[in-house]
Amino acid sequence: GAVVSQHPSRVICKSGTSVKIECRSLDFQATTMFWYRQFPKQSLMLMATSNEGSKATYEQGVEKDKFLINHASLTLSTLTVTSAHPEDSSFYICSVRRGGRGYTFGSGTRLTVV
Amino acid sequence: KNEVEQSPQNLTAQEGEFITINCSYSVGISALHWLQQHPGGGIVSLFMLSSGKKKHGRLIATINIQEKHSSLHITASHPRDSAVYICAVGGGSQGNLIFGKGTKLSVKP
Repeated sequence: GAVVSQHPSRVICKSGTSVKIECRSLDFQATTMFWYRQFPKQSLMLMATSNEGSKATYEQGVEKDKFLINHASLTLSTLTVTSAHPEDSSFYICSVRRGGRGYTFGSGTRLTVV
Repeated sequence: KNEVEQSPQNLTAQEGEFITINCSYSVGISALHWLQQHPGGGIVSLFMLSSGKKKHGRLIATINIQEKHSSLHITASHPRDSAVYICAVGGGSQGNLIFGKGTKLSVKP
């Protein structure tokens, strides 16, 4: 099946700094990738839909200037958390939709902002 | 009310027991997915189904479209089945999944 590589798996950063998370679709050309966030004991929530070659679509309440998404190729989408704050600490995970064959997920990134 | 509801939230079983996790949804869907999330956070897709029943090893998933309900069964449960099981439906406006909160399963030896 399709493989989605996400890294880093775990990152600790200082408040005010920026963190970049990469999501690569290794064997599937993904025109669309999804970025989800999961807080403890909560369900995964869609943050944004990353579209190759165009602007991402952000969900209500997600600041597009804070969570920068770049999807410059069919195999790579990046999420940059800018000026991170402790409340941004969460589990971030990307997903690729493989047409009618379901979804494949990255391994996730646990971000801790101190 | 959440669009995808799972029950129970937590489940503890003895090794060998038959396990059932339930999922109800309130939106129109293209398909329903059962996912497994391990303690490190990684998510694996177990099933995608839009009707009837699917079986893979000791796992069985069923769906009733009319009742908007699905169940995940695990036969002869084993400690390695311990994980969070998530029900998700394909019904988001962007083609994304909408997730339930998950069921944390712990199987004791």
